[in-house]
Parts: sequence; structure tokens; C-alpha cells
Amino acid sequence: NAGVTQTPKFQVLKTGQSMTLQCAQDMNHEYMSWYRQDPGMGLRLIHYSVGAGITDQGEVPNGYNVSRSTTEDFPLRLLSAAPSQTSVYFCASSPRQGGGGGELFFGEGSRLTVL
Amino acid sequence: EDQVTQSPEALRLQEGESSSLNCSYTVSGLRGLFWYRQDPGKGPEFLFTLYSAGEEKEKERLKATLTKKESFLHITAPKPEDSATYLCAVQALGTKIIFGSGTRLSIRP
Repeated sequence: NAGVTQTPKFQVLKTGQSMTLQCAQDMNHEYMSWYRQDPGMGLRLIHYSVGAGITDQGEVPNGYNVSRSTTEDFPLRLLSAAPSQTSVYFCASSPRQGGGGGELFFGEGSRLTVL
Repeated sequence: EDQVTQSPEALRLQEGESSSLNCSYTVSGLRGLFWYRQDPGKGPEFLFTLYSAGEEKEKERLKATLTKKESFLHITAPKPEDSATYLCAVQALGTKIIFGSGTRLSIRP
């Protein structure tokens, strides 16, 4: 059972480039979310989804797009990368409808550097 | 605005020296408060959920407690393998789960 799988693990981009961080889970979880983690700031919620076809904004959504066409996948798109988006990105899923219960299962993270 | 504040930012203890980590929160209707452990280079790992004031949960050397304004993570007789960053998170009305900035715990042998 793979759990939550994130790819790539490391990526270096130039300012203005676009890319997609992939997230897949094999636990049939309805709730999925993306966080970024920066030193001294903890985890900040970017976007989340309570089921296929439904997404919503978190605390820091600007510069990021998401879609949820299947239960398993929740990709995060950076349309025009900026140095301020240098961070470690975590995808997380929950077995609870609407994310209730807080038991999030996290991936290993994707470390992104924007030059 | 929902907010979660953790203190201290960092804590160094001697093996066997018990202590507590604090998580204070302001939310509009608490649905749950959660504790996670994060090791370097890894994703956070779920520890506990607390739903109402007065509730307590235990796991090995860790005990989490909850009041109306804060939660404590008590660590009894810690071992070096307890060294990690401990994160607190809250879920208010709705589905967003908001995290604090964490406490880096270091246990010296």
C-alpha cells in the first residue's frame, strides 16, 4: 500500500517557468489538500478538495491552480513560478468526509527551488 | 481569523527530563485539535485528535490535553528517539485544517 505519493521529490525552476507537482493516493480518500512549509512558518494550506470535481482555496492560494478529476489524483500547478514559491510542498489526504477528524496522511514532500 | 500559536519554538531536554509543549488557538467553533510529529525530510505523522475541553489522549510517553483556549503535549521521561518537530493543527467550522509553526524538540542522551 503506497499511501500518498508525490512527484517529483526535487525540482529547480527558473522564474516564469510553469510546472505541475503530482499527488496520488491509493486509499480511496475523499479529502485531499496541498500545503507549503517554510522555515518558521509551519504548514500553510494552499488548496483543498472534498471530492472529485470539488476544490476550494486555502490560506495562500495565489499563484497556484488545482483540479480534481479523479478521487486518486490532485495535481498542483504553478503557472508562472516566482522565487517566493521556493518551498517544500506536501500533499495530504484524509479518510474522513470533508476532512473531519484531522487525521491527514502526508506524502514525503516535493522540494521546489525557483531561481 | 483562525490562528494557532505554538511555544516554545525550540526545546532541548536531557533524556528523562519531562516537559510540556503548548499550543494556543483562536478559532470560530472548534471541530478538532490535532497533534503531529515530523522528522527531518519527512511528511508529518498523525499522533492525536482532541475534540472537546477536558479530553486527554495518550500514546507511549506522550499525553495530549485540551482546554477551551489551548492544548498541551506532555512528554514524560523522553528518549533521544522522541526528538522531532511537533506540530499542532486545528479544524474550525468548515473543512480547512490550519497548522501552527511547530516546536523543535531535541533530547540529549
